[in-house]
Amino acid sequence: AQKITQTQPGMFVQEKEAVTLDCTYDTSDPSYGLFWYKQPSSGEMIFLIYQGSYDQQNATEGRYSLNFQKARKSANLVISASQLGDSAMYFCAMRDLDSNYQLIWGAGTKLIIKP
Amino acid sequence: KAGVTQTPRYLIKTRGQQVTLSCSPISGHRSVSWYQQTPGQGLQFLFEYFSETQRNKGNFPGRFSGRQFSNSRSEMNVSTLELGDSALYLCASSAQGSTGELFFGEGSRLTVL
Repeated sequence: AQKITQTQPGMFVQEKEAVTLDCTYDTSDPSYGLFWYKQPSSGEMIFLIYQGSYDQQNATEGRYSLNFQKARKSANLVISASQLGDSAMYFCAMRDLDSNYQLIWGAGTKLIIKP
Repeated sequence: KAGVTQTPRYLIKTRGQQVTLSCSPISGHRSVSWYQQTPGQGLQFLFEYFSETQRNKGNFPGRFSGRQFSNSRSEMNVSTLELGDSALYLCASSAQGSTGELFFGEGSRLTVL
């Protein structure tokens, strides 16, 4: 069965510092996608970044990058130069791209940026 | 381009009642999926529809049902509400169905008293 593990329930980071949010996954499927979403207190899920299992390079989107280590089944999110507006819940999720259409979610990490 | 719209945003029901939530996907998106988010269970998949067909269903009792219309709008229904159904219900739409990012609405927050 597929599983996503986020081991950091909460993190405090000083503004302008870089932060790494951990995510490990477990799947036997060769074709899968990994996602990171941000959920502010308003509740909406905001897509941040996507990494396909066959992608050769790590995904990047502005200040967000994904440190994809396939052999270790790790997909950590790196936020460079953190801002106060980055304070939110962050979720790692996975999807089997061949036959299953659901996202499997981690428990999330609550990130608080300190001024 | 309008985002995913969910209605109502907030609602309060009592045990035993039923509720219908609506989701309008981004124009052109044919896949709509639903998720339940609770503090205890986190985010759990309910079901996914593509071109009016349910392609996948999560591990929820039969009280939870859904459908999709020809214009891709989707509804989910929960009958005989229980206290444990109190949750944020999130709808997401996708252009490609099985790959690519999912765009989420702001959710419908259901409270069951």
